[in-house]
Amino acid sequence: AQSVTQPDIHITVSEGASLELRCNYSYGATPYLFWYVQSPGQGLQLLLKYFSGDTLVQGIKGFEAEFKRSQSSFNLRKPSVHWSDAAEYFCAIAKDNYGQNFVFGPGTRLSVLP
Amino acid sequence: ETGVTQTPRHLVMGMTNKKSLKCEQHLGHNAMYWYKQSAKKPLELMFVYSLEERVENNSVPSRFSPECPNSSHLFLHLHTLQPEDSALYLCASSQVGRELGELFFGEGSRLTVL
Repeated sequence: AQSVTQPDIHITVSEGASLELRCNYSYGATPYLFWYVQSPGQGLQLLLKYFSGDTLVQGIKGFEAEFKRSQSSFNLRKPSVHWSDAAEYFCAIAKDNYGQNFVFGPGTRLSVLP
Repeated sequence: ETGVTQTPRHLVMGMTNKKSLKCEQHLGHNAMYWYKQSAKKPLELMFVYSLEERVENNSVPSRFSPECPNSSHLFLHLHTLQPEDSALYLCASSQVGRELGELFFGEGSRLTVL
């Protein structure tokens, strides 16, 4: 069965510092990979996605993620965090393009110190 | 309007009430979903309507009843709910059958069951 782990429940960084959020998955093949962000009281917004090709993926709001097959990881990074990045971040995988097979991780809450 | 719209944004109901959540997508997608988001739990897929076919999720109690009259509208009918059903209910849509059709989420309906 597919599963997604996000080892960090809560991360706090200072504004301007770099950020890396971890995501590991369990699946027999290479899945589709996603990062979503959820601001308080809002739905989830797609930051970026990977399905093949270049393993470094650029997304919106200055985020990027790197797929590492050998580590079954898809970590999210940002070189300089802004206060508005404080939110909940979800990693997700899908084995195909039929939505019932999306699996979400438990989320990582990001706090940003001024 | 664009994207995925959910109404109402907030709902308080007693355990004996009957209410409905509504979702409308303006993206031309052919699949719609209901997710439940509870505190400290991963997103739970409740129901999927994909290519006009309903995909059952046997773990969802019968007090939740979905309805999808067309590809743009999705309802979640609620009756005799329990306090543990209090959660954020998220609607999403996607285009299935194409490569990597990610989920687009609405802002959610916050349900409180007294």
